[in-house]
Amino acid sequence: SSELTQDPAVSVALGQTVRITCQGDSLRSYYASWYQQKPGQAPVLVIYGKNNRPSGIPDRFSGSSSGNTASLTITGAQAEDEADYYCNSRDSSGNHHVVFGGGTKLTVL
Amino acid sequence: QLQLQESGPGLVKPSETLSLTCTVSGGSISSSSYYWGWIRQPPGKGLEWIGSIYYSGSTYYNPSLKSRVTISVDTSKNQFSLKLSSVTAADTAVYYCAREWEGYCSGGSCQIFDYWGQGTLVTVSS
Repeated sequence: SSELTQDPAVSVALGQTVRITCQGDSLRSYYASWYQQKPGQAPVLVIYGKNNRPSGIPDRFSGSSSGNTASLTITGAQAEDEADYYCNSRDSSGNHHVVFGGGTKLTVL
Repeated sequence: QLQLQESGPGLVKPSETLSLTCTVSGGSISSSSYYWGWIRQPPGKGLEWIGSIYYSGSTYYNPSLKSRVTISVDTSKNQFSLKLSSVTAADTAVYYCAREWEGYCSGGSCQIFDYWGQGTLVTVSS
């Protein structure tokens, strides 16, 4: 399969913890990468690998993976975390293809 | 700091060819560690990978777009380009270029887009 499935929308109360998930067969072979996209802006890489954060990404963002499911967790969500979140990975076909999840709209209440 | 910048026409007529260029600064497009990719996002919708290219010229395309897509690289100008033929209104989108890395991390396989251009809106309309 070359698809990654995400819940369309998730909400979290300010300061609480939220988990955003991504499911797909390719995740059995590749770690997911996670991107944050705010309106009118380009996506920004926030998590990759088992739980790696690029420089400048707050440590409230973390990642995990089990079987065909990857998760992005935000511990102590802030108002500025309200955004769309996308997962991606290499396709498991072996053809160097790339797949993105459909995205999750995170609302911070 | 690596920077990528998309350029090209913002309006393309139906059935014509969309052409965009991504100029890379602050680093070499000839680095053996990276691929260079194009991703698009229709208004209000999600991200779609179009294709990627290695500095040597090896290309990889989204199967759903493969018949209409050509990606090329010009190492002398530190640029790579996208051509999408026979466009329709469905090709209206923000087009991003990005640097792609694949390798081993955390004891497993990783693929990431770590640097992105700001994106350019291309509208297909007569």
